[in-house]
Amino acid sequence: QKEVEQNSGPLSVPEGAIASLNCTYSDRGSQSFFWYRQYSGKSPELIMFIYSNGDKEDGRFTAQLNKASQYVSLLIRDSQPSDSATYLCAVIIQGAQKLVFGQGTRLTINP
Amino acid sequence: DAGVIQSPRHEVTEMGQEVTLRCKPISGHNSLFWYRQTMMRGLELLIYFNNNVPIDDSGMPEDRFSAKMPNASFSTLKIQPSEPRDSAVYFCASSLQGAGYGYTFGSGTRLTVV
Repeated sequence: QKEVEQNSGPLSVPEGAIASLNCTYSDRGSQSFFWYRQYSGKSPELIMFIYSNGDKEDGRFTAQLNKASQYVSLLIRDSQPSDSATYLCAVIIQGAQKLVFGQGTRLTINP
Repeated sequence: DAGVIQSPRHEVTEMGQEVTLRCKPISGHNSLFWYRQTMMRGLELLIYFNNNVPIDDSGMPEDRFSAKMPNASFSTLKIQPSEPRDSAVYFCASSLQGAGYGYTFGSGTRLTVV
């Protein structure tokens, strides 16, 4: 089982709709969770991080964490064509100070 | 803040040649990470340093790979000899302390070994 798993997509969402990206992780002791966005040919950039169960909102982005289910998600409200990118979920594995990344989900927002 | 600076941006080399990738972390950051990204394997951590000391090199694929951080503002990743399967994008990232708040990536070096 991979440490961090994401559906590779592609996920296609109409402009203005809510895009929902999902991630599961295997290490129950993981405490910190991150979402990165990567445009084609560019480097990953940090969007949000979340440590506590529940929701964390930042503008159009909401991260959701459920530690009991070992599940973290990212919601993008009012999706824009500029949101089209690959979204990477990353987790700090217990006892280590390094990020382990999922394979990423490719998101396309259709005008 | 200039961000994490990597050089070169692109490198094309012949199999068997030595390749050196360079990274300058953000000033004041004391953790540095080298990742490799391929379509098949995604982003893989190769090695990371805290305060210039290598902490975890378990991701370094084999002895052909080596990394150094002689001071707080410079790190190198060397591949000798290079092989076609080393072709990938290599990213350097830095952070203030470990990975607790995530880290900032450089623009990457696209390596092609022919």
